[in-house]
Amino acid sequence: QVQLVQSGAEVKKPGASVKVSCKASGYTFTGYYMHWVRQAPGQGLEWMGWINPNNGDTRYAQKFQGRVTMTRDTSIRTAYMELSSLRSDDTAVYYCARDPPHHGADVWGQGTTVTVSS
Amino acid sequence: DIVMTQSPDSLAVSLGERATINCKSSQSVLYNSNNKNYLAWYQQKPGQPPKLLIYWASTRESGVPDRFSGSGSGTDFTLTISSLQAEDVAVYYCQQYHTTPRTFGPGTKVDI
Repeated sequence: QVQLVQSGAEVKKPGASVKVSCKASGYTFTGYYMHWVRQAPGQGLEWMGWINPNNGDTRYAQKFQGRVTMTRDTSIRTAYMELSSLRSDDTAVYYCARDPPHHGADVWGQGTTVTVSS
Repeated sequence: DIVMTQSPDSLAVSLGERATINCKSSQSVLYNSNNKNYLAWYQQKPGQPPKLLIYWASTRESGVPDRFSGSGSGTDFTLTISSLQAEDVAVYYCQQYHTTPRTFGPGTKVDI
């Protein structure tokens, strides 16, 4: 079945970087954009950006420009989201989500909790 | 950026009763080329990722019960749960996918 499996929880110190992975299975990885969305504790959903796994094109939310990098490795059907210069307010659950054209995100990863604390 | 707002922030509905959630976008999300509204609704239960319920403002995702329906066009949209079930307790978000950044509404919490 179609599935996105994310890497495990991370604890980082302020100023560090974190790289979250999202492994796809059950569909053609290069056929769908992958979005990244985060959710701070008790808060709503915040869109971070997308990557086109077919050619590596990316688009980031202005808020994260310069701090976020989205990449992919098509040989292992995995997308990555790296966030640098972490601050305490980056503490959140980070989700990857598959996005069929003109559809909305129909498959989501289970989420990766990133805790930023000194 | 397109700003999404939702109302109410929360609502409590009796089992079997109707729940109505409103979503407004600061700009139209209607794509003129195909006359589709690029608006989705998601349901999120505690500890779970969001689940896509509705896309194109009114098309139910496969497997979503028909008590969930979406309506609206342009800038004003509604999600209706016709007969609330216990398993529908969740937070509901609208999202526009007309324009990048893909913005979400703040969410509406539905309780019994």
